[in-house]
Amino acid sequence: GDSVTQMEGPVTLSEEAFLTINCTYTATGYPSLFWYVQYPGEGLQLLLKATKADDKGSNKGFEATYRKETTSFHLEKGSVQVSDSAVYFCVLRDSGAGSYQLTFGKGTKLSVIP
Amino acid sequence: DTEVTQTPKHLVMGMTNKKSLKCEQHMGHRAMYWYKQKAKKPPELMFVYSYEKLSINESVPSRFSPECPNSSLLNLHLHALQPEDSALYLCASSQDRTGNSPLHFGNGTRLTVT
Repeated sequence: GDSVTQMEGPVTLSEEAFLTINCTYTATGYPSLFWYVQYPGEGLQLLLKATKADDKGSNKGFEATYRKETTSFHLEKGSVQVSDSAVYFCVLRDSGAGSYQLTFGKGTKLSVIP
Repeated sequence: DTEVTQTPKHLVMGMTNKKSLKCEQHMGHRAMYWYKQKAKKPPELMFVYSYEKLSINESVPSRFSPECPNSSLLNLHLHALQPEDSALYLCASSQDRTGNSPLHFGNGTRLTVT
């Protein structure tokens, strides 16, 4: 079956530091990949997505590139802010109609200190 | 602001109570989902509705009863819950069933069973 492995953290960074959260996956089909962010007390928000190999998703300064050769989708940001403190989930959704299931990584808690 | 609205935000209920969680979206999405999220864990799929028909029930106990009155509304009826059912209940929707259609989540209902 499909699986997602991401660094669990917690990760603590100083403001303006560079962020990388590693994510690797296994899938039987041709999945789409997503990063979701969950701020304290809230639901999950879609941060970015990539639907095929070599696609780069980007949003709010965050980027991730779908690497089929290394089955990876690492999340990066050049300069984090205190407001980026949240839990980040790497998520896989297999292709094709009827592909309801999302496969979640365990989540990485990021704390950014001033 | 989330485009998926859930009510109530918080709910405390006894084990003999009957209550309902409500979810609404006006994005024209045809798939709607219920997830359960325990603290420090990723969400777990409970139910999926596609075109207002129940498509997936992930072996959820019968004390949870979903309902989809129309394409914009999703309810979760609760009865005779147990303390271990305390969690964040998330509703989500997606445009269709295809793998590259991301899910949009609401902010959830924080349920406490006493």
